[in-house]
Amino acid sequence: QQQVKQSPQSLIVQKGGISIINCAYENTAFDYFPWYQQFPGKGPALLIAIRPDVSEKKEGRFTISFNKSAKQFSLHIMDSQPGDSATYFCAASETSGSRLTFGEGTQLTVNP
Amino acid sequence: DADVTQTPRNRITKTGKRIMLECSQTKGHDRMYWYRQDPGLGLRLIYYSFDVKDINKGEISDGYSVSRQAQAKFSLSLESAIPNQTALYFCATSDLRGASYNEQFFGPGTRLTVL
Repeated sequence: QQQVKQSPQSLIVQKGGISIINCAYENTAFDYFPWYQQFPGKGPALLIAIRPDVSEKKEGRFTISFNKSAKQFSLHIMDSQPGDSATYFCAASETSGSRLTFGEGTQLTVNP
Repeated sequence: DADVTQTPRNRITKTGKRIMLECSQTKGHDRMYWYRQDPGLGLRLIYYSFDVKDINKGEISDGYSVSRQAQAKFSLSLESAIPNQTALYFCATSDLRGASYNEQFFGPGTRLTVL
């Protein structure tokens, strides 16, 4: 039973375009929502994270948008670059513990 | 030097064999995790440990066991490997203290193939 649903499974974007990846969750106790980035042959690494007390967090070209009422959050990559080509995972956890529940992953390809 | 190391990086084994995957960390974190990654299924938690004396089952623990030999070492065993355990396995660590609150740091992974 996947508690965090992620879409799309794959995404192809042209250089300079906007990449958008969406996630939805069911557990209302979740209150920490990170995104991880994974390059081929490497382990995932934290990219950006948000808590539900804010609706948006921006770090450089990467923005998380959070909609608590809809139980959804999304990653926006502005001005996408070929170097952004990777697999992206959304995740969620409860503050009381540090178990992360991951989404299925999105393979992003940015064409030059 | 890498903070989280995994050995071996690649392993091919046969059905029914016992195999151990090892993870070591130099980050001083108390919490360690084992995940498996399969295409289209994301990362699924196998076991996790919040300290040396604390071991917990994750989503998919059947067919696996773990040992936390020390704060820095966490091993995953497949007692009798089967082909559907073919996957990419990751070890991760985390800490609830400081600026890296709850961030999980992953090792480079072990690609396991069971024939």
